[in-house]
Amino acid sequence: AQTVTQSQPEMSVQEAETVTLSCTYDTSESNYYLFWYKQPPSRQMILVIRQEAYKQQNATENRFSVNFQKAAKSFSLKISDSQLGDTAMYFCAFAGGTSYGKLTFGQGTILTVHP
Amino acid sequence: AAGVIQSPRHLIKEKRETATLKCYPIPRHDTVYWYQQGPGQDPQFLISFYEKMQSDKGSIPDRFSAQQFSDYHSELNMSSLELGDSALYFCASSLRGGNYGYTFGSGTRLTVV
Repeated sequence: AQTVTQSQPEMSVQEAETVTLSCTYDTSESNYYLFWYKQPPSRQMILVIRQEAYKQQNATENRFSVNFQKAAKSFSLKISDSQLGDTAMYFCAFAGGTSYGKLTFGQGTILTVHP
Repeated sequence: AAGVIQSPRHLIKEKRETATLKCYPIPRHDTVYWYQQGPGQDPQFLISFYEKMQSDKGSIPDRFSAQQFSDYHSELNMSSLELGDSALYFCASSLRGGNYGYTFGSGTRLTVV
C-alpha cells in the first residue's frame, strides 16, 4: 500500500515571499502520479499541480513549482511571491499501482500567508 | 467550463436515518470517485466506478452503497446513519485512470444529529 506523509502540520509566510511545503511518499510502483491540492476555507478541493513520475522535468504552474526527487521519494511544493489568497490547507496526493485511479492523501499542511 | 456537481450542498439527518448524495461528473469523464473527509482530516477514499461498474473499493462501511447510472451520475446511499458519519463527502471525476487529474465537486456536508 502507498503512504503519503506531510511532516509540516502548519506553515506561515509573509506576503510576496517564497515558501516550500514538504511531502514524502512510499511506493513500490514505478509508474504513478503525484498531485498537490489546495483546500481553502470554502473546503473546495482545487488541483494546484500534477507530476508524472516518468517525467524527470519538474512541473511548474505560474507561481507554483515542484521539486520531484524520485529516488528519494520526495515531492515538495514551492510557492513563489505568496499571496493572501494562497492561505489554505495543502494536500499532497498519490495515484498509481494496483490502486490506480484512487488518490491517497497526506495529512495536509495549513499554510497561512500574512500581510 | 462545466464542473462536478454535487447535491445537496448541506444535509442534516438524525441518527439511524438514511441519506442519498448525488454526483454529476464532468461531461465525457467516465470515472467517479467518492471520498469522505472528517473534521481536520485528509480525504479518505470510499469507492469508485468506471463505466457504471465498481472499479475500486476503500474504507466504505457496509451501511453505505453506491452506484453509477447510465448517464454517468453517481449516488452514494448511506443508511443507519451514525454521529461519526458527519463529514464532508466529495465526489471527483476523471478520465480512465485519472492520468489527467481529478476534478472535485464542492462537496456535501453531512451532519448527523
